[in-house]
Amino acid sequence: NAGVTQTPKFRILKIGQSMTLQCTQDMNHNYMYWYRQDPGMGLKLIYYSVGAGITDKGEVPNGYNVSRSTTEDFPLRLELAAPSQTSVYFCASTPEAGGDNEQFFGPGTRLTVL
Amino acid sequence: RKEVEQDPGPFNVPEGATVAFNCTYSNSASQSFFWYRQDCRKEPKLLMSVYSSGNEDGRFTAQLNRASQYISLLIRDSKLSDSATYLCVVNMTLTGGGNKLTFGTGTQLKVEL
Repeated sequence: NAGVTQTPKFRILKIGQSMTLQCTQDMNHNYMYWYRQDPGMGLKLIYYSVGAGITDKGEVPNGYNVSRSTTEDFPLRLELAAPSQTSVYFCASTPEAGGDNEQFFGPGTRLTVL
Repeated sequence: RKEVEQDPGPFNVPEGATVAFNCTYSNSASQSFFWYRQDCRKEPKLLMSVYSSGNEDGRFTAQLNRASQYISLLIRDSKLSDSATYLCVVNMTLTGGGNKLTFGTGTQLKVEL
């Protein structure tokens, strides 16, 4: 049981390039989330999904897109990278909403846009 | 006003000390509360949930005061391995389902010999 895995671990992009951050979980969790964490700041929710085929915007969705074709995978797409998107990106999952359900985080992707 | 506010620290304490962290939140409709721990350059991991009745897990005690919108974490007999950033986290259920976790910026703890 690998939990939540993310690839790549590190990436440097040039302004205007695009890339997809991969996230996979093997816990059969319905709910998945993408966060970004800027230095010295709390995590901010980018997008979330409550199940395959369903996604919705979080607090900071601009410049990103997501899809959820399977329960396991929740990729995050950056179309036109900008320096403001330099951050650490965490994917998380939880089995269901509400209560004390722990969110399980992946190890993160460190992205630098130059 | 930030949704979740914490003193960023760092708190530098000797091994064996007792240290307390505080956190306030602005949304009175928040439903559940947590402390997460984040080691340097790692992902956050759940330390403990926080209840109004107070709850304890070994050397860690968490407390919630809903009236004051205040959350605390007490660490007794600090160990070197407790050095990390402690994130105060507030949860609300989203309209379409799922949870919205709002994170504080974290309080950094350094335990020294």
